Amino acid sequence: KAGVTQTPRYLIKTRGQQVTLSCSPISGHRSVSWYQQTPGQGLQFLFEYFSETQRNKGNFPGRFSGRQFSNSRSEMNVSTLELGDSALYLCASSRTGTGAYEQYFGPGTRLTVT
Amino acid sequence: GENVEQHPSTLSVQEGDSAVIKCTYSDSASNYFPWYKQELGKRPQLIIDIRSNVGEKKDQRIAVTLNKTAKHFSLHITETQPEDSAVYFCASSKGWGGSQGNLIFGKGTKLSVKP
Repeated sequence: KAGVTQTPRYLIKTRGQQVTLSCSPISGHRSVSWYQQTPGQGLQFLFEYFSETQRNKGNFPGRFSGRQFSNSRSEMNVSTLELGDSALYLCASSRTGTGAYEQYFGPGTRLTVT
Repeated sequence: GENVEQHPSTLSVQEGDSAVIKCTYSDSASNYFPWYKQELGKRPQLIIDIRSNVGEKKDQRIAVTLNKTAKHFSLHITETQPEDSAVYFCASSKGWGGSQGNLIFGKGTKLSVKP
């Protein structure tokens, strides 16, 4: 099976701009979660989508949003970019269901805000 | 809020020695505890996990133990090899059998295995 894929892999944006990142889960996986990884804060949960609905949300401002499509692919959007948004953004997919909560990560999108 | 503390932050061992990384979680409702290995520039890779109904799980040179009373769990790597060098993250979630599957991560342990 193909793994989780993310596009683009690298992105450079300017403060105030917005950005959209994409994630394609493993075939058959219906849940997609997004995480932000920075050297200072580590790995932090942004949100989770399941069946096109946001199921859980972390403690990030409303500038961070996401959505999921009927094929389980997911996008996240960050509006009005700030320098502190520079990070590696990782998505993870999961089959969900009892006893099946392993999450598998994509390679990430490295976002640099200048 | 929910918190996972991980120790040590760095660990250096000789090839062939054992390595132990410890984590403590705060939410007693947590029931799923995965460990991830992240090599430089690569994605976090799930290496082993344990659910709250089990006290120990082993996979070749890697084992994880869970003490629910004390709310801590540990990763044990035996016969370490240079390719074990990476950053290891522990995590907890309430997702097993439920809908709150978001992972709460520890800060990571940088393991260096010297040949």
